[in-house]
Amino acid sequence: NAGVTQTPKFQVLKTGQSMTLQCAQDMNHNSMYWYRQDPGMGLRLIYYSASEGTTDKGEVPNGYNVSRLNKREFSLRLESAAPSQTSVYFCASRERGGVETQYFGPGTRLLVL
Amino acid sequence: QKEVEQDPGPLSVPEGAIVSLNCTYSNSAFQYFMWYRQYSRKGPELLMYTYSSGNKEDGRFTAQVDKSSKYISLFIRDSQPSDSATYLCASNSGNTPLVFGKGTRLSVIA
Repeated sequence: NAGVTQTPKFQVLKTGQSMTLQCAQDMNHNSMYWYRQDPGMGLRLIYYSASEGTTDKGEVPNGYNVSRLNKREFSLRLESAAPSQTSVYFCASRERGGVETQYFGPGTRLLVL
Repeated sequence: QKEVEQDPGPLSVPEGAIVSLNCTYSNSAFQYFMWYRQYSRKGPELLMYTYSSGNKEDGRFTAQVDKSSKYISLFIRDSQPSDSATYLCASNSGNTPLVFGKGTRLSVIA
């Protein structure tokens, strides 16, 4: 049981390049989330998917797109990376209803030069 | 103003001390309150949760919520060096996304 997995673990991009961060969960959770974590800013929600087939913007969606490929997978795409997108990105998943326990992946460290 | 406010610290205590970590929140609709622990270069993991007001104890950890003052607390008794981490409070009103505080970095010195 791997929980929430993220690839890649670390990536360096040049300004203007694009990339997709991958996330998968094997807990049969309905809801999935993408966060970024920056020093002094805490965890900020980028996008989330309450269920397969739906996606919604979070607090900081500009510059990002997401795809809920199926129930297991939720990807985050940077179309034209900017230095301001240098951050640690975390994917999380959650069962719907009841205790609102979110399980987090190990994170992707992104550096945009 | 963020919906959940948390003093980022850092907080440094000697081994064996009682640690008090605190958050305030502004949304009266919040009913679920969580504490996550995050070790360096790792993802956050759920430590404790409470529903509505009251206390919850788990070993050396006690979570407390006072809805009248919109105050969330985590107490760690007999703190250990292995407790050194960043602690994040979080809350929501049900099926809405969790709102996180900025996290408090704790160091327990042996």
